[in-house]
Amino acid sequence: GENVEQHPSTLSVQEGDSAVIKCTYSDSASNYFPWYKQELGKGPQLIIDIRSNVGEKKDQRIAVTLNKTAKHFSLHITETQPEDSAVYFCAASIDGNQFYFGTGTSLTVIP
Amino acid sequence: DVKVTQSSRYLVKRTGEKVFLECVQDMDHENMFWYRQDPGLGLRLIYFSYDVKMKEKGDIPEGYSVSREKKERFSLILESASTNQTSMYLCASSLAGVGSEQYFGPGTRLTVT
Repeated sequence: GENVEQHPSTLSVQEGDSAVIKCTYSDSASNYFPWYKQELGKGPQLIIDIRSNVGEKKDQRIAVTLNKTAKHFSLHITETQPEDSAVYFCAASIDGNQFYFGTGTSLTVIP
Repeated sequence: DVKVTQSSRYLVKRTGEKVFLECVQDMDHENMFWYRQDPGLGLRLIYFSYDVKMKEKGDIPEGYSVSREKKERFSLILESASTNQTSMYLCASSLAGVGSEQYFGPGTRLTVT
């Protein structure tokens, strides 16, 4: 089955700096790659996603890039703010039914 | 607004007990999922259902079963709880098809003593 690896497991940045989280996947048939943010005591919430026919997608301070050849995708957060502090998960899916998640990145934004 | 609710936020059960975790979604979603979340392991799929009375095993189905008698409700059953099933359990739902957003409930933290 699909294997998704995520790095780093923890990340601390100064407020205003950028944060980058990287994921790799193993199954070239995967075609949908969502990113989730999980705040303390809550379930994960989708923040951005990308399909395999697109190389990059941006939504305000958040962007995701996808390199299908290398089988990796990354989350970029610019101008980080304290409220960006959370755990972030990447995921990959082939059919929209089974999702394979990375192990999570705990992001801390230091004011 | 999509809402996924889970019957309990916290649950403490004894080894060997039968445990029911309930999940309800209010957006007429076809797909429903049960995950467990453990530190350092991310989210792992236990079971998912793409229709009423239909279910598919995920990556870690051993020790669990599920029931979906109505479209809005998906139950996770631990037939005989064990200490290694102590975990956070997350329910999610989505429309069918690739690219459909998964909506998660707040989770149930289950402790088996």
